[in-house]
This record gives sequence, structure tokens and C-alpha cells, in this order.
Amino acid sequence: NAGVTQTPKFQVLKTGQSMTLQCAQDMNHEYMSWYRQDPGMGLRLIHYSVGAGITDQGEVPNGYNVSRSTTEDFPLRLLSAAPSQTSVYFCASSLRTPRDSYSGANVLTFGAGSRLTVL
Amino acid sequence: GESVGLHLPTLSVQEGDNSIINCAYSNSASDYFIWYKQESGKGPQFIIDIRSNMDKRQGQRVTVLLNKTVKHLSLQIAATQPGDSAVYFCAENRGLTGGGNKLTFGTGTQLKVEL
Repeated sequence: NAGVTQTPKFQVLKTGQSMTLQCAQDMNHEYMSWYRQDPGMGLRLIHYSVGAGITDQGEVPNGYNVSRSTTEDFPLRLLSAAPSQTSVYFCASSLRTPRDSYSGANVLTFGAGSRLTVL
Repeated sequence: GESVGLHLPTLSVQEGDNSIINCAYSNSASDYFIWYKQESGKGPQFIIDIRSNMDKRQGQRVTVLLNKTVKHLSLQIAATQPGDSAVYFCAENRGLTGGGNKLTFGTGTQLKVEL
């Protein structure tokens, strides 16, 4: 198993450009999510999905779109990049949702991160 | 607003000493808590978790204590080693009333182990 794979690892964009951060997992995880990490602010949830065809907003969804057409993939789209979106982005997945009481099934596995700079 | 926060942004300990990292939460409906470790340049990794029906849980060299009365969580690392140097995050699931399919993370504590 490769775990959670994120691409690209690094990206530089100009303001107004669009791009997609890719996330794929091969663990048949039901739950997938995107976080951004900024200095002194910890990890903030952007969007999440509890299964194929189902997505919902997190704390900071503005400027980002997601879709979940398959169990494996959960791409994050920046529609019109802004300097405020400069950050490190992490994709994370778990077998079941955070609400699930099954022991261990809701532990998030994180990808290695994608560092995005918007000029 | 509601938050998950940490008391100290940086904690320095001597190798071999025990480390205690604290976390305060404000949502009384939170029913599940997790500690993650993040090494430089990597994604967070799971350390240990605890449900709200427990007040203590032990793993290998780590113990998590939960005090629901004061909404406080701590991570204890025994015999701290240089490899423990990292940023530690607590995260909470706020239960059904808080939109339970989300984990909310604290801002993190940097643990530095001095030789």
C-alpha cells in the first residue's frame, strides 16, 4: 500500500491562476479530507468527504472546490489563486468517519503535504 | 469562539526526562480526542487517542489523560528521546452536535529535546 499520495509536492502560482492538488489513497478509506497548515494556526479543515459522491465544507472552504467521484481520489481545486492561499496543504483519510466508534477506524492517515506559493 | 488550544507553544526538555504537553478544549460535547506528532517536512502521524468515556489511556511510552471537568487533555511522554522532537497537536471530534464528521486541531506545541 502506498498510503495517501499527494501531488505536486511544490507549486508556485501567480494570482488568479487555477490549479488542482491531487490526493489518492489505496486503503479503501471511506473518509477523506483536506487541511491547510499555516504558521501558528495549526491545521484547518477545508473540505471533507464521507464517501464517493458526498462532500461537505470545513472551517475554511472559500476559494476551494472538491469532488469525490471515486473512493480513491479527492482532488482540491483552487479556482482563482490568491496570496492568502499560500500554505502547506495536507490530504488525510481514514477507514471510517470521525464519528465512527469502531476503534482505530477513524484515525487519519496524512499525506506528505503540498507546499503552495501564490505570488 | 470554541477552540482547541495549547498552553505552551514550545517545550524544551532534557533527554531522559518526562514530557507533558497540555491541551485545553472548550466544547463540552467533544467525545473523542487524538494526539498527532508532526516531524519537520512531514505530515502528522497518529500517536494515541482517547474517548470521552475514559480518563486515561496508555501506549508505548505515551499516556493521554483526559479531565472532562476542566476540559483538559495532556500527553505524557516517558523518557523523552531526541526522536521525540517534533510538533504535537491535539485534535477533537465535537460529536454529533458539533458536526461530528470533522476533527478540529489545536495550534501545536513544539517539543525540543536537549541532549
